Amino acid sequence: NAGVTQTPKFQVLKTGQSMTLQCAQDMNHNSMYWYRQDPGMGLRLIYYSASEGTTDKGEVPNGYNVSRLNKREFSLRLESAAPSQTSVYFCASTRGGAGQETQYFGPGTRLLVL
Amino acid sequence: AQTVTQSQPEMSVQEAETVTLSCTYDTSENNYYLFWYKQPPSRQMILVIRQEAYKQQNATENRFSVNFQKAAKSFSLKISDSQLGDTAMYFCAFMKLPGGADGLTFGKGTHLIIQP
Repeated sequence: NAGVTQTPKFQVLKTGQSMTLQCAQDMNHNSMYWYRQDPGMGLRLIYYSASEGTTDKGEVPNGYNVSRLNKREFSLRLESAAPSQTSVYFCASTRGGAGQETQYFGPGTRLLVL
Repeated sequence: AQTVTQSQPEMSVQEAETVTLSCTYDTSENNYYLFWYKQPPSRQMILVIRQEAYKQQNATENRFSVNFQKAAKSFSLKISDSQLGDTAMYFCAFMKLPGGADGLTFGKGTHLIIQP
């Protein structure tokens, strides 16, 4: 049982390049989330997927797209990376429902955009 | 929208001492959860403790306990008998119910340093 996994662990991009961050969970959770963490800040929600087939914008969605590929996988895409997107990205998941709201986090992806 | 405020950017205590981290929040919701997460240098986010707003009893997990004051919208974390391994960033977080599907709102964190 690996929990929440993220790939890659670290990536360097040039401005304008695109890339996809991958996230998978093996806990049969319904809801999945992408957050970003900047220095001196807590985590901020980018996008979330309450259930398979649905996605919604969070607090800071500009410059990102997401795909809930199936129940296990939730990817985050940067179409044209900008230096302002340099951050640590965390994926999280939760089963959802009464008493099942605790979020479990992946190890993070550190992204540097030059 | 909710906001979470952690007013102590950094705290430092000696090993074995007790330390309290502060958190206040602002919301118009009545049903919600509150969490404390620990983030060590590895960057992994680790759940420390959670509190359901409808419960009056304060949550406790071993050396970690909270003081939840719903009317004052305050949610502090007390760490007893602090250990070197408690050195980390600590984040307070809010989750609206039901379901919590729209995610967590985090404070900016408190960097806790346990001195030997």
